[in-house]
Amino acid sequence: AQSVTQLDSQVPVFEEAPVELRCNYSSSVSVYLFWYVQYPNQGLQLLLKYLSGSTLVKGINGFEAEFNKSQTSFHLRKPSVHISDTAEYFCAVKGGSNYKLTFGKGTLLTVNP
Amino acid sequence: ETGVTQTPRHLVMGMTNKKSLKCEQHLGHNAMYWYKQSAKKPLELMFVYNFKEQTENNSVPSRFSPECPNSSHLFLHLHTLQPEDSALYLCASSQDQNGYTDTQYFGPGTRLTVL
Repeated sequence: AQSVTQLDSQVPVFEEAPVELRCNYSSSVSVYLFWYVQYPNQGLQLLLKYLSGSTLVKGINGFEAEFNKSQTSFHLRKPSVHISDTAEYFCAVKGGSNYKLTFGKGTLLTVNP
Repeated sequence: ETGVTQTPRHLVMGMTNKKSLKCEQHLGHNAMYWYKQSAKKPLELMFVYNFKEQTENNSVPSRFSPECPNSSHLFLHLHTLQPEDSALYLCASSQDQNGYTDTQYFGPGTRLTVL
């Protein structure tokens, strides 16, 4: 079984400030990890993914995430956010090769001017 | 068209109506999924089709009926729904090779309101 915990349901920040959205997971097998973003009234868009290799993963729109196996975390970071980054962000885990993608409850990032 | 498309984007229906949601993927994938996204709840996997065969029915009520005529198209037929079925319904697709399933790509969703 696998599960995902997004520790913050809402994160308000000011424009040009750095942000970190936290994600912890549990799984009994090796994992693949994903961050998706959902803009208002839209579907989910893949932001970045960790499959193997370097633990620091770079994604679209200047986001990056670091896989930390010992802490079972996959936190998402951006050094300077824009108003347009306002959206809901979902962390997801896939255990091994199967298709089951388990999502967290999401973190609403609100960027204020 | 690129990626995964869904129609309609918005749907309002009464509890006695019958309607269908359509999903089409232009990515050459062979697996397709229906998810339900309700407010304040994690995404719920409803159905999975792999090579047009249904491989998962996640205890979904029979008032939801999926259909996958080919690997590019997926439908969700709706009848006698309840108000609590109001949600965003998301379609996704992925490539499954030798039992390994790659990244899932999502459509924009259909916002369903049941009156």
